[in-house]
Amino acid sequence: KAGVTQTPRYLIKTRGQQVTLSCSPISGHRSVSWYQQTPGQGLQFLFEYFSETQRNKGNFPGRFSGRQFSNSRSEMNVSTLELGDSALYLCASSLERAFGELFFGEGSRLTVL
Amino acid sequence: AQSVTQLDSQVPVFEEAPVELRCNYSSSVSVYLFWYVQYPNQGLQLLLKYLSGSTLVKGINGFEAEFNKSQTSFHLRKPSVHISDTAEYFCAVETSYDKVIFGPGTSLSVIP
Repeated sequence: KAGVTQTPRYLIKTRGQQVTLSCSPISGHRSVSWYQQTPGQGLQFLFEYFSETQRNKGNFPGRFSGRQFSNSRSEMNVSTLELGDSALYLCASSLERAFGELFFGEGSRLTVL
Repeated sequence: AQSVTQLDSQVPVFEEAPVELRCNYSSSVSVYLFWYVQYPNQGLQLLLKYLSGSTLVKGINGFEAEFNKSQTSFHLRKPSVHISDTAEYFCAVETSYDKVIFGPGTSLSVIP
């Protein structure tokens, strides 16, 4: 079956702009988690959505937001981009809860100039 | 709050030699433990997981890990590494709050 699909794979933005990243989970998976990966900070948890509700949230500013649709697809949005937002954003899906195995997409690499 | 420590940021090892990647965690509640691998320009893939039961867990690609509750450790081992094992390895912990927290990662370089 198809894996987790993230779009776009690469994008370049300038400071102050906003960006929306999309994630399509594996069919049947209802939980979607987002992570930010940078060389200095490693993998940091952004948030998790389950059945269109945010179930967990990491320690990121309000500029980072997300949502999940009824078909479990998820989007995350970053407003007022800063240079430090440059990172690989990874989406992971799982069955009813993150307990167990996370299936990751290949990520969206964001560069902020 | 739980946290994960991976003491070795880089581990070079010769091909066919054994390797151990160390992971320690801190948590005041019961945890579930995982090891993930990330190959260049890819997402993460689960190697193995400990949920309960036997403390020795076997995963894919010949890897295994041992859960030690008293030492709060979950070290990853492989008796003989291959070039293809060169990758970034992440230890992760999940509590009953459903949030999966990752360690900083260990870069394994296999030298031919």
